[in-house]
Amino acid sequence: DAGVTQSPTHLIKTRGQQVTLRCSPKSGHDTVSWYQQALGQGPQFIFQYYEEEERQRGNFPDRFSGHQFPNYSSELNVNALLLGDSALYLCASSLWGGQGSYQPQHFGDGTRLSIL
Amino acid sequence: AQSVTQPDIHITVSEGASLELRCNYSYGATPYLFWYVQSPGQGLQLLLKYFSGDTLVQGIKGFEAEFKRSQSSFNLRKPSVHWSDAAEYFCAVGASGGSYIPTFGRGTSLIVHP
Repeated sequence: DAGVTQSPTHLIKTRGQQVTLRCSPKSGHDTVSWYQQALGQGPQFIFQYYEEEERQRGNFPDRFSGHQFPNYSSELNVNALLLGDSALYLCASSLWGGQGSYQPQHFGDGTRLSIL
Repeated sequence: AQSVTQPDIHITVSEGASLELRCNYSYGATPYLFWYVQSPGQGLQLLLKYFSGDTLVQGIKGFEAEFKRSQSSFNLRKPSVHWSDAAEYFCAVGASGGSYIPTFGRGTSLIVHP
């Protein structure tokens, strides 16, 4: 039973470029959340997708966008990269229990993005 | 808005010694509280959570945590640490009645000496 898989594991980009990160949820899960973890910090919630729609969003600019596909996999896109976007990007999957309903999240190992 | 403070950036203990990691939260209502562990190069794993009821919560890997409303704390404990417990530990708070999306502290790095 595959867990949450993310690709690529590492990525190097330069300022101003655009990047796409990918996530396949754990088998049976239908909800995907993305987090940014800067060095020495805890993860910060970016957004959550269910039924191919963004359901919740954290305090991140519009440069951060996402998509969910019919097979529940998801992409995180970041435009106009800044040095401050260097971080570990974590994907977490869960079952959708409805708004306000807790469902445990399973995390992937992350994509390490470095901006030069 | 909710927030979490983990006052210790690093904690060093000897293998076999007891452990307590501190966590203080700020939230206006009854919080939902979590502890996660992150090993190097890996994602987060949930150790335990508190939503309501018994304030002493048992988790995986022999960890427990105690919710103290009067102190706004949710400290993580383990009676005897193993070398494999060396990792980063994150406390998180979620909004009650909301989305349960956790707000994380900055983490405490646990170093275990043999």
